[in-house]
Amino acid sequence: QSVLTQPPSVSGAPGQRVIISCTGSSSNIGAGYDVHWYQQLPGTAPKLLVFGNKHRPAGVPDRFSGSKFGTSASLAITGLLADDEADYYCQSYDKSLGVGGSEVFGGGTKLTVL
Amino acid sequence: QVQLQQSGPGLVKPSQTLSLTCAISGDSVSSNSAAWNWIRQSPSRGLEWLGRTYYRSKWFNGYAVSLTGRVTIIADTSKNQFSLQLNSVTPDDTATYYCARGVGLTTGTTFDFWGQGSQVIVSS
Repeated sequence: QSVLTQPPSVSGAPGQRVIISCTGSSSNIGAGYDVHWYQQLPGTAPKLLVFGNKHRPAGVPDRFSGSKFGTSASLAITGLLADDEADYYCQSYDKSLGVGGSEVFGGGTKLTVL
Repeated sequence: QVQLQQSGPGLVKPSQTLSLTCAISGDSVSSNSAAWNWIRQSPSRGLEWLGRTYYRSKWFNGYAVSLTGRVTIIADTSKNQFSLQLNSVTPDDTATYYCARGVGLTTGTTFDFWGQGSQVIVSS
């Protein structure tokens, strides 16, 4: 089981909005550490989608937006496209794992575009 | 544009050492603002951070507590690359291994560039 908890799957029709949650604890997200989101298409490496809770790298459409509140974070995708069908992962830092802490990931959420 | 090119064997025997290399272009392994990471992914473990090396006037390393004693990450400044060594492997170490650049170390590190991935199978 992952340190950060995500729903295994979400789905939506083209054009709709979906939200993917990422729940942590007081030793990671709740301790003030940033949350980052990645998109992974089949057979490829994860790609950075949102960093620092809400910022998008150049080239990422504004249909993708991130937010953070308390010990949780979420990724919202609006105007769903068939190309958005992928696995999505959240990532943060946990200060309680080992002497120097550890980067941690969510278990991933598979987005299906109906 | 940063590019990370991974290399290394795809098959390792149990109890032996897994070794992978990540060659960097577009940045320096000695950068004062980046960290160089290894991450692996398997169906049973999902994405798992293994460790990193970074230079801030001197070299630092950090490793996942679950792998302490088995993992080493070393930078090679002459070739602008870094490597992963994982000792005493078992079939449970079978995974796709990624190298990745990490930026930002105060409120958290984000992995903005990734290697292409190396599928490694541990089997006799």
